[in-house]
Amino acid sequence: GENVEQHPSTLSVQEGDSAVIKCTYSDSASNYFPWYKQELGKGPQLIIDIRSNVGEKKDQRIAVTLNKTAKHFSLHITETQPEDSAVYFCAASRDDYKLSFGAGTTVTVRA
Amino acid sequence: ETGVTQTPRHLVMGMTNKKSLKCEQHLGHNAMYWYKQSAKKPLELMFVYSLEERVENNSVPSRFSPECPNSSHLFLHLHTLQPEDSALYLCASSQAVGIFGSPLHFGNGTRLTVT
Repeated sequence: GENVEQHPSTLSVQEGDSAVIKCTYSDSASNYFPWYKQELGKGPQLIIDIRSNVGEKKDQRIAVTLNKTAKHFSLHITETQPEDSAVYFCAASRDDYKLSFGAGTTVTVRA
Repeated sequence: ETGVTQTPRHLVMGMTNKKSLKCEQHLGHNAMYWYKQSAKKPLELMFVYSLEERVENNSVPSRFSPECPNSSHLFLHLHTLQPEDSALYLCASSQAVGIFGSPLHFGNGTRLTVT
């Protein structure tokens, strides 16, 4: 089955700086790569996703890049704010429902 | 306000108890899921239902028994659990299974502690 590795496990950034989280996957047939944000006491919420026919996608301060050849994808958060502090999960799947998740990255934005 | 509601938020039970977790979605979705979230580990898919039919049972022990009476409600019946079953149990829904543009919407979870 699919194996997704996520790095780093924790990330501390100064407010206003950028944050980058990287994930690698093992199944070359995977074609859907979502990112979820989980705030304390809440369930994960989808923040952005990308499909294998696209190399990059942006939504305001967040962007995701995909390198299918190397089998890795990354989340970029620019101009970080305190409300960006959360746990972020990457995931991969061949279709939309059987997602394999990474172990998560705890992001702390220092004021 | 999440469109997926889980109750209870917290549950403490002994190993010999029987309890149930409840999930309700108000999004008009046709697929519902149970995930287990343990500290520092990836989310683990447990069960998937599509139009009340179970389509995935991911090698979950029989002490966990799901029930989906309709497309809006999902239950997880628990009996004779072990301490290692302590975790956050997340319910999710999606418009359909295996369809592009049908992302998961999660509830806020039930924090289960088995004593």
